[in-house]
Amino acid sequence: EAAVTQSPRSKVAVTGGKVTLSCHQTNNHDYMYWYRQDTGHGLRLIHYSYVADSTEKGDIPDGYKASRPSQENFSLILELASLSQTAVYFCASSGLGGNQDTQYFGPGTRLLVL
Amino acid sequence: AQSVTQPDARVTVSEGASLQLRCKYSYSATPYLFWYVQYPRQGLQLLLKYYSGDPVVQGVNSFEAEFSKSNSSFHLQKASVHWSDSAVYFCALIPSGTYQRFGTGTKLQVVP
Repeated sequence: EAAVTQSPRSKVAVTGGKVTLSCHQTNNHDYMYWYRQDTGHGLRLIHYSYVADSTEKGDIPDGYKASRPSQENFSLILELASLSQTAVYFCASSGLGGNQDTQYFGPGTRLLVL
Repeated sequence: AQSVTQPDARVTVSEGASLQLRCKYSYSATPYLFWYVQYPRQGLQLLLKYYSGDPVVQGVNSFEAEFSKSNSSFHLQKASVHWSDSAVYFCALIPSGTYQRFGTGTKLQVVP
């Protein structure tokens, strides 16, 4: 069974603070993704990675950085958190089919920026 | 623009009734198409996917979807819904050479 875990599951942050969301997968997948989910917008891709030590921008990368230190781990970093970044964040992974392959999602992280 | 549209934000059906959730896509060629389900406080799970071939695709839990190139649609269907089908359903599109684009989702409520 494919497994993607995220930590923390929820977080309250202050405006201007730094936030790091972590994702770990045991699927041996090459591709990993970070999405944010907002009501009325569905899921939107922030960053993705297809190999360790390399990341790519998605549709809405502004205000976010990503880090892929190993095949298993993918982090999303908000250097200066803002109110507009309050959302649910999902990590996902996919195999050799890459972007066209089935994605396996983590349970999500609820971020509230005050 | 390459996108999917789910025109119904909410759908309510009676238990045992049939279901259709609509998805329209915008793309000049035949895309890769997916349906995912999201249960409360969980991530998305794949229901089914279409790459090519038979336009009717079977998925998990008796769901199926029909691809129509002429209508640019990929509607999700189920013959008889159960209360446990209550969830949010997402249609997704992968234009060639890029990454998945998700619709805004349809929240399904199954009532007794």
